[in-house]
Amino acid sequence: QKEVEQDPGPLSVPEGAIVSLNCTYSNSAFQYFMWYRQYSRKGPELLMYTYSSGNKEDGRFTAQVDKSSKYISLFIRDSQPSDSATYLCAMSVERGSTLGRLYFGRGTQLTVWP
Amino acid sequence: AAGVIQSPRHLIKEKRETATLKCYPIPRHDTVYWYQQGPGQDPQFLISFYEKMQSDKGSIPDRFSAQQFSDYHSELNMSSLELGDSALYFCASSLESAGGPLETQYFGPGTRLLVL
Repeated sequence: QKEVEQDPGPLSVPEGAIVSLNCTYSNSAFQYFMWYRQYSRKGPELLMYTYSSGNKEDGRFTAQVDKSSKYISLFIRDSQPSDSATYLCAMSVERGSTLGRLYFGRGTQLTVWP
Repeated sequence: AAGVIQSPRHLIKEKRETATLKCYPIPRHDTVYWYQQGPGQDPQFLISFYEKMQSDKGSIPDRFSAQQFSDYHSELNMSSLELGDSALYFCASSLESAGGPLETQYFGPGTRLLVL
């Protein structure tokens, strides 16, 4: 069983919709939580980075971390066709002085249609 | 802003050949991570370096080796290539210190390796 579980979708929504993406995890030692966006055949692009529990907002994106439930979410407001991509959650345990390797979910494929 | 640079972007090799992938981290970043992403898969961690020392090792085959140089760039050397090594190889860099990580990992565009 993977340490990070993510529904691969696909998820298809109309333009302007609110999108909710989620991941669960099993390792309670995870402290750093990230969301990456990956277009086909491209490198993952960092969207949000959160340390420990709480919410973080950046423009149309909101990341939530609930460590008690081992559950993280990414909300996209006013979704646009350009948001169509695969969204990967990732998390890590601080290893000494370094961030540590990232453990990824399988990614959710999102399509926003006009 | 400067990003992570990887070269080459595409590479085609025959079975049993060798390949060298290069990664140039974001300026000031001192830590490099290598990941392998197979088709339809999530990235899998291979190996990482902090201040030119190996900091962690994941599911990297013994046929692969890597190092980080004095200018912080890193190279992943792959020998006796197999068909199953065909994948996207990503390098990520971050800025980390004795006080804990200052920045998270930023990924390069990847090197697409095809082994025939």
